[in-house]
Amino acid sequence: GAGVSQSPSNKVTEKGKDVELRCDPISGHTALYWYRQSLGQGLEFLIYFQGNSAPDKSGLPSDRFSAERTGGSVSTLTIQRTQQEDSAVYLCASRGGMNTEAFFGQGTRLTVV
Amino acid sequence: KQEVTQIPAALSVPEGENLVLNCSFTDSAIYNLQWFRQDPGKGLTSLLLIQSSQREQTSGRLNASLDKSSGRSTLYIAASQPGDSATYLCAVRDSNYQLIWGAGTKLIIKP
Repeated sequence: GAGVSQSPSNKVTEKGKDVELRCDPISGHTALYWYRQSLGQGLEFLIYFQGNSAPDKSGLPSDRFSAERTGGSVSTLTIQRTQQEDSAVYLCASRGGMNTEAFFGQGTRLTVV
Repeated sequence: KQEVTQIPAALSVPEGENLVLNCSFTDSAIYNLQWFRQDPGKGLTSLLLIQSSQREQTSGRLNASLDKSSGRSTLYIAASQPGDSATYLCAVRDSNYQLIWGAGTKLIIKP
């Protein structure tokens, strides 16, 4: 596609429910990042995928968070048993070669009520 | 550990003025530095990417410079317009692959 696409753009869920957030990176981009941005805060790294290498999961805040990237393309971020503190904008970015720009999607705004 | 700082945290200038946003980093071993803008409630838009071997990059009214030895980058915006109002973020890509982020400068251009 022309850019990084994230869906849904907005998600309201009840506390305790599971949610799945989707990221479609730019075609051919091998690197994919997930970030979280709470209101008025900076970007918090969550997870990084690079090709077929094992992902860097060091930023995942708890074991309720997981992500996968199927076929080196689409990625899903899953949050189980959502809590109110999970409310944030979840941003996905992709990058092509080692020294190329990172491009971001428009984010998914998650609200846990 | 790489740390990225952006000063000032907020800036308000009248329309038409030229302005400079600053980004500093503690470890000069970087692959590249990228400037982004973020509009309220939106994702990030890439503005300019400077490789570690480059000194500057230009796009329209924007010019970004990089002085790796001193750990500094500046984003120069010429003839500012109200549409330039946004939060500007710089990110350094370190020797692994991580993007290390500054906290951003919130820019307001007053008509």
